[in-house]
Amino acid sequence: EAEVAQSPRYKITEKSQAVAFWCDPISGHATLYWYRQILGQGPELLVQFQDESVVDDSQLPKDRFSAERLKGVDSTLKIQPAELGDSAMYLCASSLEARPQETQYFGPGTRLLVL
Amino acid sequence: KQEVTQIPAALSVPEGENLVLNCSFTDSAIYNLQWFRQDPGKGLTSLLLIQSSQREQTSGRLNASLDKSSGRSTLYIAASQPGDSATYLCAVKDDYKLSFGAGTTVTVRA
Repeated sequence: EAEVAQSPRYKITEKSQAVAFWCDPISGHATLYWYRQILGQGPELLVQFQDESVVDDSQLPKDRFSAERLKGVDSTLKIQPAELGDSAMYLCASSLEARPQETQYFGPGTRLLVL
Repeated sequence: KQEVTQIPAALSVPEGENLVLNCSFTDSAIYNLQWFRQDPGKGLTSLLLIQSSQREQTSGRLNASLDKSSGRSTLYIAASQPGDSATYLCAVKDDYKLSFGAGTTVTVRA
């Protein structure tokens, strides 16, 4: 069964360092999402891609976060510089298209700890 | 802005008891509602998806109902097992965006 792949699974970094997360969606899925889940809360959308284009990045802290999906397949989310409040689970999801009835399939997530 | 609330935040039951998890949302103009399971430190596993035109969905011991007009959904898990221990999240989709509740953490005691 096809799955969304993410790496690394865990990342510990120091404040002010740069970190990057990678996501490989299910093959053929045009829509890719990055979510942030703070402990004890539900995931919140950071950015949505349709192919290589950003559809929604309204909740992305653009002063320190960036996301790209250059060839419309895999994607990278970067934080520079990392802050203590960035400690969270970063989840990637993909769907076949952006239609409302499409199911989003989630990856295993990257757990980030900023010290 | 869509607000999704899940009550209770945590639940502990003995094995074999039926589980009832509640989810409420503020804007009834949704396309669908989805229930997810999340094990500690893991990603999300989709359990059930209910389209806005549907009243319920069933999968094995799981049954989810949707009352869109009142902004409520309930997830029933029959004959709970220790393996059902996890956090259960509901999420509603409106205008292409998925909004999540904070989840209900379930512990099933053997």
